Amino acid sequence: GESVGLHLPTLSVQEGDNSIINCAYSNSASDYFIWYKQESGKGPQFIIDIRSNMDKRQGQRVTVLLNKTVKHLSLQIAATQPGDSAVYFCAEIAAGNQFYFGTGTSLTVIP
Amino acid sequence: SQTIHQWPATLVQPVGSPLSLECTVEGTSNPNLYWYRQAAGRGLQLLFYSVGIGQISSEVPQNLSASRPQDRQFILSSKKLLLSDSGFYLCAWSVGSELVAQHFGDGTRLSIL
Repeated sequence: GESVGLHLPTLSVQEGDNSIINCAYSNSASDYFIWYKQESGKGPQFIIDIRSNMDKRQGQRVTVLLNKTVKHLSLQIAATQPGDSAVYFCAEIAAGNQFYFGTGTSLTVIP
Repeated sequence: SQTIHQWPATLVQPVGSPLSLECTVEGTSNPNLYWYRQAAGRGLQLLFYSVGIGQISSEVPQNLSASRPQDRQFILSSKKLLLSDSGFYLCAWSVGSELVAQHFGDGTRLSIL
């Protein structure tokens, strides 16, 4: 079956530094990818998305990079803040709107 | 703008009791609706999804059922809860048939005693 996974289960960064969270996917036919942020006790919150015809997309303080050659997705957070502490996970969407979610990386921002 | 509401936020139930979790979406019509369970340290497991009133698809066999009595209402139920039904239950919505994001509610933490 298809799988979406993360390279690192935990990540700690100093406040003000940049964070990079990675995700590997296995379905080369996937067309759409999403990053979600989930704070403790809450539901996942949409952060940013990217379609397979793009390799980079920027939002406010966040950038998603897509490397289809190696089937790798990353989320970069600039000037990480304490409020960024959460679990981040990627979602891969294949044909037929089939969603596959990763297990997540826990980001801790050290003040 | 669209909003999604789930309730209750937390629930403690004895084994063998019934369950009803409710999810409603506002600000959109004919949404796709989903129920997920999230185990600690694991990814989201899709339980049910619905593309319209009365249309329910089940992804995994289990002790749970779902119903969609109204366009923007999705209910997760059980007649008799098991200990293994404990978990964090999330409702989500999307609009459109292909390559669309899902948006989640804040979940219900269900503990079975």
